[in-house]
Amino acid sequence: DSGVTQTPKHLITATGQRVTLRCSPRSGDLSVYWYQQSLDQGLQFLIQYYNGEERAKGNILERFSAQQFPDLHSELNLSSLELGDSALYFCASSVEGRLNSPLHFGNGTRLTVT
Amino acid sequence: GQQVMQIPQYQHVQEGEDFTTYCNSSTTLSNIQWYKQRPGGHPVFLIQLVKSGEVKKQKRLTFQFGEAKKNSSLHITATQTTDVGTYFCADLTGTASKLTFGTGTRLQVTL
Repeated sequence: DSGVTQTPKHLITATGQRVTLRCSPRSGDLSVYWYQQSLDQGLQFLIQYYNGEERAKGNILERFSAQQFPDLHSELNLSSLELGDSALYFCASSVEGRLNSPLHFGNGTRLTVT
Repeated sequence: GQQVMQIPQYQHVQEGEDFTTYCNSSTTLSNIQWYKQRPGGHPVFLIQLVKSGEVKKQKRLTFQFGEAKKNSSLHITATQTTDVGTYFCADLTGTASKLTFGTGTRLQVTL
């Protein structure tokens, strides 16, 4: 158990809809990362937050947004969903935003857009 | 932009055989982290390499960082079925606190 909690585990929704994925980092971790993993694909970095503030942005679509709350949990919002958004979305946390902190991943949320 | 490629994409070995995956970057790597993702699971941190030429071992796993810090390798001696999974290298870019993952090598081990 990594200590990172992601909900829900599975999400099935229709094109055009909006969903929210939730992540609670490990106790004591200030940094949260979001990654997208499509079928048999690698891990695509979306966005990172550190102690409530956006720290770095990857290839995140404009239809996607995220935030980190004062209690350090994070939410990833996906809107105007398309079939191609179907993927496994991972949240990871680390102790701090420095470059040498290992990432601890949650179990992921599997999103299916129909 | 930076690309981190891993070869091979897939390897199927018999239990007891050795396995190596290579991680190559188009730019100089800052640090290298290695992760393992079991089928249906999430990536799990294995190790971090920082120094040029660094070699670290974890039981049957040997990790190496190239002298020029543009490549890294993971070697597994005498594979076991528990080694099945996808192995990712990840580069901590020097300009932003983001983690670029390699394309991954999927290892299948059969008896």
